[in-house]
Amino acid sequence: GAVVSQHPSRVICKSGTSVKIECRSLDFQATTMFWYRQFPKQSLMLMATSNEGSKATYEQGVEKDKFLINHASLTLSTLTVTSAHPEDSSFYICSARDRGNLNYGYTFGSGTRLTVV
Amino acid sequence: AQTVTQSQPEMSVQEAETVTLSCTYDTSESDYYLFWYKQPPSRQMILVIRQEAYKQQNATENRFSVNFQKAAKSFSLKISDSQLGDAAMYFCAYRSETPNAGGTSYGKLTFGQGTILTVHP
Repeated sequence: GAVVSQHPSRVICKSGTSVKIECRSLDFQATTMFWYRQFPKQSLMLMATSNEGSKATYEQGVEKDKFLINHASLTLSTLTVTSAHPEDSSFYICSARDRGNLNYGYTFGSGTRLTVV
Repeated sequence: AQTVTQSQPEMSVQEAETVTLSCTYDTSESDYYLFWYKQPPSRQMILVIRQEAYKQQNATENRFSVNFQKAAKSFSLKISDSQLGDAAMYFCAYRSETPNAGGTSYGKLTFGQGTILTVHP
């Protein structure tokens, strides 16, 4: 089945530095990539939606200058957390919509646990 | 905006028994999909089952089935013959398939709060 590879799975960074998270669709073309944030035992909160070759659309309350999203190709999207602070520590998950199977459920990456110290 | 409500923060079931997880949603749209996703301790989101709103027949996938009541905006998940591997957090999700002005909600998944399912041996 469809697979989205998300890296890194865990990252610890110092406050003030930037971290890049990658999501690659391995066997399909992702027309749209969604980025979520999840706190322990809570639901997924959509941060932004990106379409290949277009600027990302951010949800209300999400700082676009802090969470930079790039969707340069149909198989790769990246989320960069800039000037990270401890409150950015969270679990980040991407999900991709298959260009060839728009009516099916989305495929999720395995998530990235970010810890800012 | 669409909302999805899961009123059961936690549920438990004995192995081999049946359990039903509740989900209600609010929408004014007629074209949408509903999903149940499972998130085990690994935190990998796994699609369990999906339902197209225009289909009256309830979706089934092996031991998993749904009770889709469109008029009542209810979408419950029934797990039969529960197994230890079913233990996870379950999320109900709504996906709009109705393009709107600005396309702000089209294609997005809206999740419920989640239900933690424990399976007792």
